[in-house]
Amino acid sequence: QKEVEQNSGPLSVPEGAIASLNCTYSDRVSQSFFWYRQYSGKSPELIMSIYSNGDKEDGRFTAQLNKASQYVSLLIRDSQPSDSATYLCAVRGGSQGNLIFGKGTKLSVKP
Amino acid sequence: NAGVTQTPKFRILKIGQSMTLQCTQDMNHNYMYWYRQDPGMGLKLIYYSVGAGITDKGEVPNGYNVSRSTTEDFPLRLELAAPSQTSVYFCASSYDRDYQETQYFGPGTRLLVL
Repeated sequence: QKEVEQNSGPLSVPEGAIASLNCTYSDRVSQSFFWYRQYSGKSPELIMSIYSNGDKEDGRFTAQLNKASQYVSLLIRDSQPSDSATYLCAVRGGSQGNLIFGKGTKLSVKP
Repeated sequence: NAGVTQTPKFRILKIGQSMTLQCTQDMNHNYMYWYRQDPGMGLKLIYYSVGAGITDKGEVPNGYNVSRSTTEDFPLRLELAAPSQTSVYFCASSYDRDYQETQYFGPGTRLLVL
């Protein structure tokens, strides 16, 4: 059973701080990794994707991938109250190439 | 572009009733997916389709059926609703299933089975 694990949180950070969200996955042949943000009562929204080892930056967001450790993370710099949401890690892999989602980490940014 | 649309937004069913959740996309995407999300949980894949006339089971297909007669529409059918099917259902689509391809989600249907 292919799995994606996330700390469910809640993770609470003060406004302006760096929020660090982590995700591990079990399928070594996974090729692509996604971070979705989901506000309460809303649908998931893609915020970052990463395919190669290392860092990928987009504005205040940085995704980090380490395939050897089967680990992917998301850093949010200068966290804002509007970043308060649940962040879902998703991994694509396996023979069918479907996405496997973690349970999500709830982030709360306090003003 | 409306993207992915779903109807209804919310529905209450009695045990044993049936219903169809509608999903339509206007992006000419080949791939479409149905997920369910239980409280505090991630998304679980119910069924997916790689094109009109082709569907396949995901991780949790029991109690559901799908069809794909057109590129745009991918309805999900619940037969004999059970309380365990109380959940939020999301439809998603993507143009391809290349490893870089992004899935776009509809707004969801909240279903309560009593």
